[in-house]
Amino acid sequence: QKEVEQDPGPLSVPEGAIVSLNCTYSNSAFQYFMWYRQYSRKGPELLMYTYSSGNKEDGRFTAQVDKSSKYISLFIRDSQPSDSATYLCAMSLPSNTGKLIFGQGTTLQVKP
Amino acid sequence: SQTIHQWPATLVQPVGSPLSLECTVEGTSNPNLYWYRQAAGRGLQLLFYSVGIGQISSEVPQNLSASRPQDRQFILSSKKLLLSDSGFYLCAWSVTGAGGGYTFGSGTRLTVV
Repeated sequence: QKEVEQDPGPLSVPEGAIVSLNCTYSNSAFQYFMWYRQYSRKGPELLMYTYSSGNKEDGRFTAQVDKSSKYISLFIRDSQPSDSATYLCAMSLPSNTGKLIFGQGTTLQVKP
Repeated sequence: SQTIHQWPATLVQPVGSPLSLECTVEGTSNPNLYWYRQAAGRGLQLLFYSVGIGQISSEVPQNLSASRPQDRQFILSSKKLLLSDSGFYLCAWSVTGAGGGYTFGSGTRLTVV
């Protein structure tokens, strides 16, 4: 079993739709949770960062962490064609190494 | 502000040739540094990480090595490339300490032919 599981998609939605991206994990010790966005042939960029359980909102994006279920989500409201990218979840233990464990990534296409 | 530079952007190398990819970080000191590889359609695989000069930890035994000769310089090397070394190589840095998010470089697309 992989430490972090993420449905690779692809996921195709019409412009304006609400998108839900999800990851599950097996290690209950993970405490830091992140979402990265990666455009084709580019390096990933940090989109959302949360610590422990709860929700965090930034504009059209909401990150949700449910540690009891070992489940994290990223919601995108009013999706735009510019949101078309691969979204990677990542998580880490409290450690000075800062090592992140990444999900496989979900490819999202938002059609105009 | 902090910036990360990675080069070259694209590289085509024959099997058996050596490899050297360089990554430098500006605007910070004592960063944690990482090398990841991303194969086509797959997630990110951590290859090496470093918490200080000369300190390298290897995550996956393979044909590659890493070095950190200066605080903000991280080099990925190979003496003889294999076809299976093809992929998208990403350098990243984070603040030392727990839970920091990464800043990635722009990546090097390596094709071994």
